[in-house]
Amino acid sequence: DAGITQSPRHKVTETGTPVTLRCHQTENHRYMYWYRQDPGHGLRLIHYSYGVKDTDKGEVSDGYSVSRSKTEDFLLTLESATSSQTSVYFCAISDGTSGRTDFGPGTRLLVL
Amino acid sequence: QKEVEQDPGPLSVPEGAIVSLNCTYSNSAFQYFMWYRQYSRKGPELLMYTYSSGNKEDGRFTAQVDKSSKYISLFIRDSQPSDSATYLCAMSEIPGAGYSTLTFGKGTMLLVSP
Repeated sequence: DAGITQSPRHKVTETGTPVTLRCHQTENHRYMYWYRQDPGHGLRLIHYSYGVKDTDKGEVSDGYSVSRSKTEDFLLTLESATSSQTSVYFCAISDGTSGRTDFGPGTRLLVL
Repeated sequence: QKEVEQDPGPLSVPEGAIVSLNCTYSNSAFQYFMWYRQYSRKGPELLMYTYSSGNKEDGRFTAQVDKSSKYISLFIRDSQPSDSATYLCAMSEIPGAGYSTLTFGKGTMLLVSP
């Protein structure tokens, strides 16, 4: 397995509260991504990072922010959680040369 | 029209059957093509990835890309109950920066019965 861990693995929170999800990699890959997976939509890109402190928006970035202060860590923050952000969140990494992207185990988030 | 179309299934086959999974796409800029396997409540696991048109084989799995038809396939020979999972196709362009944002199909659920 690619060295990707996500925390927490499960979280239940209330509407309006901030939530931070963490992705940690041990592969020293330059590129990191956050996707969400929803029934009927498949996996969609939220944000990605192409280096420390370098991030950009994906297809469904509204309501989310990210930060990357170290190569190994990529944080996803829901500034004020809404029920529409109930989803499974996956972190992914790539080295930018092999063409492969590997995914973490996911975080299940329920916003009540 | 969605950028990547994939039949959601479920596709039910008996053990030992040959399975064909397919995706069509509309963006002619896609160059990398991938297949992921996802077991229930797990993360996607990369099975195969190919660059541009052609075939690639790995054990019981063969990935096929036809860029002229904008059509990709994954064949599974001698299917096993352990192959029961959701199969996701994914694609990306080749930007100069080296990152690889993926566009996914919605996934096909495969059930292999003993």
